[in-house]
Amino acid sequence: EAQVTQNPRYLITVTGKKLTVTCSQNMNHEYMSWYRQDPGLGLRQIYYSMNVEVTDKGDVPEGYKVSRKEKRNFPLILESPSPNQTSLYFCASSLLTGRTPYGYTFGSGTRLTVV
Amino acid sequence: SQQGEEDPQALSIQEGENATMNCSYKTSINNLQWYRQNSGRGLVHLILIRSNEREKHSGRLRVTLDTSKKSSSLLITASRAADTASYFCATTAQNFNKFYFGSGTKLNVKP
Repeated sequence: EAQVTQNPRYLITVTGKKLTVTCSQNMNHEYMSWYRQDPGLGLRQIYYSMNVEVTDKGDVPEGYKVSRKEKRNFPLILESPSPNQTSLYFCASSLLTGRTPYGYTFGSGTRLTVV
Repeated sequence: SQQGEEDPQALSIQEGENATMNCSYKTSINNLQWYRQNSGRGLVHLILIRSNEREKHSGRLRVTLDTSKKSSSLLITASRAADTASYFCATTAQNFNKFYFGSGTKLNVKP
């Protein structure tokens, strides 16, 4: 089944403790992206990747890191989480037409709480 | 910003009625897409309409695009309780490598 798999689904952590949210897709998509969703603010893009070893900042990259060492994986790293990073996070992937993403397949989400 | 804005923010209808949601955006686009999100879950891609298309159908969904007004509408016909969800439009621009999502319309279909 074509899918984007995120883990974990739920995570409660303490301020400053490094964490990684994993994302993997099995559709051979070039484009992958991370979003956070907050009430009243909608979906905001954190980072995206056009291909292996090619990553770029989205609209809210502060406090996050990503890497794209393999085409299928795009982990999101929070080096020193803070309470304002409490949010619902989504990974998504897409084929590219030229340089434009065509249509997203989303993961099921990771609900992160930083206390 | 190219971000789309949906209207209305919330819509409540009876089962069997039609639901219409609108999306406006600011700059020229390559394509516009509609997504559905059930509470707390991942978004699901519904339909994509290219900038050179004016109308598209998929099952009970009908999407229109008016590039002169920079707006799109999503019509769900004969709505069902299972259509209860939030609906988002997303736009991409030519040779631009980002999606921009609107703030969403929350649809409630009462049985």
